[in-house]
Order: sequence, then structure tokens, then C-alpha cells
Amino acid sequence: AQSVSQHNHHVILSEAASLELGCNYSYGGTVNLFWYVQYPGQHLQLLLKYFSGDPLVKGIKGFEAEFIKSKFSFNLRKPSVQWSDTAEYFCAVRAGNMLTFGGGTRLMVKP
Amino acid sequence: DTAVSQTPKYLVTQMGNDKSIKCEQNLGHDTMYWYKQDSKKFLKIMFSYNNKELIINETVPNRFSPKSPDKAHLNLHINSLELGDSAVYFCASSGGDSYGYTFGSGTRLTVV
Repeated sequence: AQSVSQHNHHVILSEAASLELGCNYSYGGTVNLFWYVQYPGQHLQLLLKYFSGDPLVKGIKGFEAEFIKSKFSFNLRKPSVQWSDTAEYFCAVRAGNMLTFGGGTRLMVKP
Repeated sequence: DTAVSQTPKYLVTQMGNDKSIKCEQNLGHDTMYWYKQDSKKFLKIMFSYNNKELIINETVPNRFSPKSPDKAHLNLHINSLELGDSAVYFCASSGGDSYGYTFGSGTRLTVV
């Protein structure tokens, strides 16, 4: 069974700082990779996804992620965060019919 | 038009009661899921149905019983509710390998 690790549980940044959230997974076969965001009190929204092709994926709200197959990683980046990016971020990996989430990273952006 | 809709949005009930949460998707997806998000925000899959057939059944107490009357609906019935069942339950659907997942807005269940 696959597993997903998000190493940063809590991240606090000031506005305009750059963001990188780590995500590693363990699964030897073909995977689809996702990043979701959950704003306080809300449901999960898709930020971006990787299925195949260019390993650098651009998503909504200025987010991007890079799939590095050799490192089993799919890190999320944003060059300049805003206060409105305060939320919980989840990396997820699909193998077959199973979508498995990482433990989430709580991002707080200070104005 | 809401793609994946869950009802109710909030549910407060006493221990020992039986309750149901309903989920409907209008995306034409074949596969639907129930996820549980605990107080620490950890998301764990509970069940998955593909075209009304159960395909994933994680280690969930048998007090939880999913029912899929058709591929657009996946309901979750919970018997004899316990305090530990308090969580947010998310329904989701997927159109297949080349598609992502669409999540409902969640049902916050509080057992008192």
C-alpha cells in the first residue's frame, strides 16, 4: 500500500516570503499526484495535479509543484505568499483506485 | 450547480443514535468515496464504490454501512454512534484514471 509523508506540519511565513512544502510518497508503480488546499472551515479544493508529461506543474493561485520521480517527491512551491494563503495543504497520491493523503501542512501567513 | 453535494452540512446527535449522511454527484463519475477527517485534519479513506459496487473497504467498524442505490449516490449510515465518530466526513467522486477527484463540502458530525 502506498503512503504519503508531509514533513512540515506547521509553517509560519510572513507575506511575500517564498514557500516550499515537502511531499514524499512510497509506491513503486505509476501514480497520479495532487495538492489540495483546505481553507478554514471549508472543503478540499484542488490546487494542481500531475498525471504525466512535464514534471513541473502549474496550478491555481500562483502555486506550482515539481515531480521528481527519482526522489519520489512532489513538492509544492509559491514564490510569494499572501495572507489569504493561510490554510491546510494536503498532498495526495493515487495508485489504482486508492487516493491516499499526507498528514497535511498547516500554513499560517502573517500580514 | 453543485458537483458533489452532501447533506446535512452539520449533524449533532447523541451517543447510541443511528444517523445517515447523503451524497450525490452530478458529474457522471463512476466512482465515489467516503473520507473521514479527524480533529487533527488527517484524511483517511473509508469506502469506495465503482458503479454501485464496493471496491474499497478500509478497516472501518461495521457500524458504518455505505449504500449506493445508483452510481450518482453514495450514502453513509452509522449505527450506535460513539464519541469517537465525531469528525468531518467528506464525499468525493472521480471519473477514472485520467481525472482528479471532486470533493463535497463535508458533513461535520458531532456526537455528544
